[in-house]
Amino acid sequence: AQSVTQLGSHVSVSEGALVLLRCNYSSSVPPYLFWYVQYPNQGLQLLLKYTTGATLVKGINGFEAEFKKSETSFHLTKPSAHMSDAAEYFCAVSDLGRGSTLGRLYFGRGTQLTVWP
Amino acid sequence: EAQVTQNPRYLITVTGKKLTVTCSQNMNHEYMSWYRQDPGLGLRQIYYSMNVEVTDKGDVPEGYKVSRKEKRNFPLILESPSPNQTSLYFCASSVRGDQPQHFGDGTRLSIL
Repeated sequence: AQSVTQLGSHVSVSEGALVLLRCNYSSSVPPYLFWYVQYPNQGLQLLLKYTTGATLVKGINGFEAEFKKSETSFHLTKPSAHMSDAAEYFCAVSDLGRGSTLGRLYFGRGTQLTVWP
Repeated sequence: EAQVTQNPRYLITVTGKKLTVTCSQNMNHEYMSWYRQDPGLGLRQIYYSMNVEVTDKGDVPEGYKVSRKEKRNFPLILESPSPNQTSLYFCASSVRGDQPQHFGDGTRLSIL
Protein backbone atom coordinates (compact mmCIF):
# COMPACT_ATOMS: atom_id res chain seq x y z
CA ALA A 1 0.00 0.00 0.00
CA GLN A 2 1.04 3.54 -0.65
CA SER A 3 1.81 6.06 2.05
CA VAL A 4 1.23 9.76 1.41
CA THR A 5 2.63 12.38 3.74
CA GLN A 6 1.60 16.01 3.63
CA LEU A 7 3.91 18.07 5.80
CA GLY A 8 1.99 20.66 7.75
CA SER A 9 -1.70 20.27 8.45
CA HIS A 10 -2.06 24.05 8.40
CA VAL A 11 -0.23 26.60 6.25
CA SER A 12 -0.78 30.35 6.47
CA VAL A 13 0.43 32.90 3.95
CA SER A 14 -0.21 36.54 3.18
CA GLU A 15 -2.03 37.49 0.02
CA GLY A 16 0.56 37.77 -2.77
CA ALA A 17 3.06 35.46 -1.09
CA LEU A 18 4.34 32.16 -2.40
CA VAL A 19 2.27 29.09 -1.59
CA LEU A 20 4.17 25.83 -1.01
CA LEU A 21 2.33 22.70 0.07
CA ARG A 22 4.44 19.61 0.53
CA CYS A 23 3.66 16.03 -0.44
CA ASN A 24 5.86 12.95 -0.24
CA TYR A 25 4.91 9.41 -1.17
CA SER A 26 6.37 6.01 -0.45
CA SER A 27 6.28 4.11 -3.72
CA SER A 28 9.51 2.87 -5.26
CA VAL A 29 7.77 2.78 -8.64
CA PRO A 30 6.72 6.17 -10.02
CA PRO A 31 2.99 6.34 -9.49
CA TYR A 32 0.36 8.66 -10.85
CA LEU A 33 0.12 11.78 -8.66
CA PHE A 34 -2.70 14.21 -8.02
CA TRP A 35 -3.58 17.31 -6.08
CA TYR A 36 -7.17 18.03 -5.14
CA VAL A 37 -8.73 21.11 -3.55
CA GLN A 38 -11.74 21.18 -1.26
CA TYR A 39 -13.60 24.42 -0.66
CA PRO A 40 -15.90 24.65 2.37
CA ASN A 41 -19.03 22.49 2.11
CA GLN A 42 -17.99 21.09 -1.24
CA GLY A 43 -16.52 17.91 -2.64
CA LEU A 44 -12.99 17.56 -3.93
CA GLN A 45 -11.96 19.06 -7.25
CA LEU A 46 -8.94 18.01 -9.26
CA LEU A 47 -6.25 20.71 -9.38
CA LEU A 48 -3.66 18.88 -11.43
CA LYS A 49 -2.23 15.47 -12.17
CA TYR A 50 1.03 13.86 -13.18
CA THR A 51 1.02 10.64 -15.15
CA THR A 52 3.90 10.72 -17.63
CA GLY A 53 6.00 13.24 -19.50
CA ALA A 54 7.07 16.63 -18.22
CA THR A 55 7.69 16.60 -14.49
CA LEU A 56 6.44 20.16 -13.98
CA VAL A 57 2.68 20.07 -14.20
CA LYS A 58 0.42 23.09 -14.45
CA GLY A 59 -3.07 23.04 -13.06
CA ILE A 60 -6.03 25.30 -12.62
CA ASN A 61 -6.03 28.62 -10.75
CA GLY A 62 -2.29 29.19 -11.29
CA PHE A 63 -1.11 26.17 -9.32
CA GLU A 64 1.67 23.89 -10.42
CA ALA A 65 3.52 20.90 -9.02
CA GLU A 66 6.80 19.23 -9.75
CA PHE A 67 7.36 15.49 -9.65
CA LYS A 68 10.81 14.69 -8.25
CA LYS A 69 11.46 10.98 -8.44
CA SER A 70 14.70 11.13 -6.47
CA GLU A 71 12.94 12.84 -3.59
CA THR A 72 9.62 10.95 -3.98
CA SER A 73 7.93 14.33 -3.78
CA PHE A 74 5.15 16.19 -5.56
CA HIS A 75 5.00 19.61 -3.93
CA LEU A 76 2.30 22.10 -4.92
CA THR A 77 3.19 25.75 -5.51
CA LYS A 78 1.60 29.00 -6.55
CA PRO A 79 3.71 32.13 -6.99
CA SER A 80 1.18 34.57 -5.56
CA ALA A 81 -1.59 33.59 -3.16
CA HIS A 82 -5.08 34.97 -3.49
CA MET A 83 -7.77 35.11 -0.86
CA SER A 84 -9.85 32.71 -2.94
CA ASP A 85 -7.14 30.03 -2.57
CA ALA A 86 -8.11 29.46 1.04
CA ALA A 87 -9.20 25.83 1.14
CA GLU A 88 -8.03 22.35 2.09
CA TYR A 89 -5.63 20.65 -0.28
CA PHE A 90 -5.13 16.93 -0.64
CA CYS A 91 -2.30 15.08 -2.30
CA ALA A 92 -3.22 11.68 -3.75
CA VAL A 93 -1.12 8.90 -5.17
CA SER A 94 -2.12 5.85 -7.13
CA ASP A 95 -0.62 2.47 -6.73
CA LEU A 96 -0.05 0.02 -9.52
CA GLY A 97 -0.56 2.84 -12.00
CA ARG A 98 0.99 2.75 -15.42
CA GLY A 99 -1.98 1.04 -16.97
CA SER A 100 -2.89 -1.39 -14.26
CA THR A 101 -6.60 -1.93 -13.82
CA LEU A 102 -6.11 -2.69 -10.16
CA GLY A 103 -4.97 0.74 -9.10
CA ARG A 104 -6.60 2.90 -6.46
CA LEU A 105 -5.87 6.26 -4.93
CA TYR A 106 -4.40 6.95 -1.52
CA PHE A 107 -4.92 10.36 0.00
CA GLY A 108 -2.79 12.39 2.35
CA ARG A 109 -4.35 13.90 5.46
CA GLY A 110 -4.75 17.28 3.89
CA THR A 111 -3.31 20.76 4.38
CA GLN A 112 -5.55 23.65 5.31
CA LEU A 113 -4.38 26.81 3.55
CA THR A 114 -5.24 30.17 5.14
CA VAL A 115 -4.58 33.36 3.20
CA TRP A 116 -4.30 36.61 5.19
CA PRO A 117 -5.14 39.94 3.58
CA GLU B 1 -23.39 17.92 -17.01
CA ALA B 2 -21.00 15.27 -15.71
CA GLN B 3 -21.70 14.69 -12.06
CA VAL B 4 -21.77 12.39 -9.09
CA THR B 5 -24.95 12.78 -7.08
CA GLN B 6 -25.27 11.76 -3.45
CA ASN B 7 -28.41 11.70 -1.33
CA PRO B 8 -29.14 12.78 1.26
CA ARG B 9 -26.74 15.68 1.81
CA TYR B 10 -27.43 15.76 5.52
CA LEU B 11 -28.88 13.18 7.87
CA ILE B 12 -29.28 12.99 11.62
CA THR B 13 -30.37 9.60 12.88
CA VAL B 14 -30.13 7.31 15.89
CA THR B 15 -27.99 4.33 16.72
CA GLY B 16 -29.14 1.08 15.14
CA LYS B 17 -31.53 2.51 12.56
CA LYS B 18 -30.52 1.19 9.14
CA LEU B 19 -29.76 3.80 6.53
CA THR B 20 -28.68 3.99 2.92
CA VAL B 21 -26.78 6.76 1.20
CA THR B 22 -27.29 6.69 -2.54
CA CYS B 23 -24.67 7.56 -5.15
CA SER B 24 -25.23 7.88 -8.86
CA GLN B 25 -22.89 8.95 -11.67
CA ASN B 26 -23.72 9.85 -15.25
CA MET B 27 -20.27 9.46 -16.81
CA ASN B 28 -20.40 5.74 -17.56
CA HIS B 29 -17.45 5.21 -15.20
CA GLU B 30 -16.37 1.72 -14.32
CA TYR B 31 -14.81 2.58 -10.97
CA MET B 32 -16.71 3.90 -7.97
CA SER B 33 -15.65 4.40 -4.42
CA TRP B 34 -16.81 5.57 -1.00
CA TYR B 35 -14.68 7.61 1.38
CA ARG B 36 -15.18 9.05 4.81
CA GLN B 37 -13.53 12.29 5.83
CA ASP B 38 -12.72 13.01 9.46
CA PRO B 39 -10.75 15.98 10.83
CA GLY B 40 -7.02 15.31 10.80
CA LEU B 41 -7.41 11.95 9.10
CA GLY B 42 -8.00 13.02 5.51
CA LEU B 43 -10.00 10.72 3.26
CA ARG B 44 -10.13 7.05 4.03
CA GLN B 45 -11.55 4.60 1.56
CA ILE B 46 -14.44 2.45 2.78
CA TYR B 47 -15.28 0.30 -0.23
CA TYR B 48 -14.65 0.44 -3.93
CA SER B 49 -15.99 -1.20 -7.04
CA MET B 50 -14.00 -1.77 -10.22
CA ASN B 51 -17.09 -2.64 -12.23
CA VAL B 52 -20.58 -4.07 -11.91
CA GLU B 53 -20.87 -6.87 -9.37
CA VAL B 54 -17.22 -6.46 -8.31
CA THR B 55 -16.61 -4.74 -4.99
CA ASP B 56 -13.82 -4.87 -2.46
CA LYS B 57 -12.93 -3.49 0.94
CA GLY B 58 -10.96 -0.33 1.36
CA ASP B 59 -9.15 0.74 4.50
CA VAL B 60 -12.11 1.14 6.86
CA PRO B 61 -14.94 -1.21 5.77
CA GLU B 62 -16.20 -2.28 9.21
CA GLY B 63 -19.86 -1.44 9.74
CA TYR B 64 -20.58 -0.70 6.08
CA LYS B 65 -21.98 -2.58 3.11
CA VAL B 66 -22.16 -1.72 -0.57
CA SER B 67 -23.66 -3.16 -3.73
CA ARG B 68 -23.04 -2.50 -7.41
CA LYS B 69 -25.92 -3.97 -9.36
CA GLU B 70 -25.70 -1.46 -12.18
CA LYS B 71 -22.89 0.70 -13.44
CA ARG B 72 -24.26 4.09 -12.47
CA ASN B 73 -25.26 3.38 -8.86
CA PHE B 74 -23.21 2.50 -5.80
CA PRO B 75 -25.19 2.82 -2.55
CA LEU B 76 -23.55 2.77 0.87
CA ILE B 77 -25.48 0.89 3.53
CA LEU B 78 -25.12 1.20 7.28
CA GLU B 79 -27.03 -1.77 8.70
CA SER B 80 -26.72 -0.73 12.33
CA PRO B 81 -25.18 2.73 12.55
CA SER B 82 -23.15 3.71 15.59
CA PRO B 83 -21.91 7.11 16.78
CA ASN B 84 -18.36 6.42 15.55
CA GLN B 85 -19.77 6.46 12.02
CA THR B 86 -20.63 10.13 12.37
CA SER B 87 -18.63 11.63 9.54
CA LEU B 88 -18.62 13.32 6.15
CA TYR B 89 -18.98 10.79 3.35
CA PHE B 90 -17.98 11.16 -0.27
CA CYS B 91 -18.76 9.06 -3.28
CA ALA B 92 -16.43 9.23 -6.26
CA SER B 93 -16.17 7.72 -9.71
CA SER B 94 -13.53 7.41 -12.39
CA VAL B 95 -12.71 5.61 -15.60
CA ARG B 96 -10.24 3.45 -13.69
CA GLY B 97 -9.04 3.23 -10.12
CA ASP B 98 -5.75 5.00 -10.69
CA GLN B 99 -7.28 7.86 -12.68
CA PRO B 100 -8.63 11.19 -11.43
CA GLN B 101 -11.83 10.74 -9.51
CA HIS B 102 -14.96 12.87 -9.72
CA PHE B 103 -16.45 13.52 -6.31
CA GLY B 104 -19.98 14.10 -5.12
CA ASP B 105 -20.77 17.02 -2.83
CA GLY B 106 -20.74 14.86 0.27
CA THR B 107 -23.19 13.52 2.83
CA ARG B 108 -22.87 14.63 6.42
CA LEU B 109 -24.11 11.89 8.74
CA SER B 110 -24.71 12.41 12.44
CA ILE B 111 -25.56 9.31 14.45
CA LEU B 112 -26.78 9.95 17.96
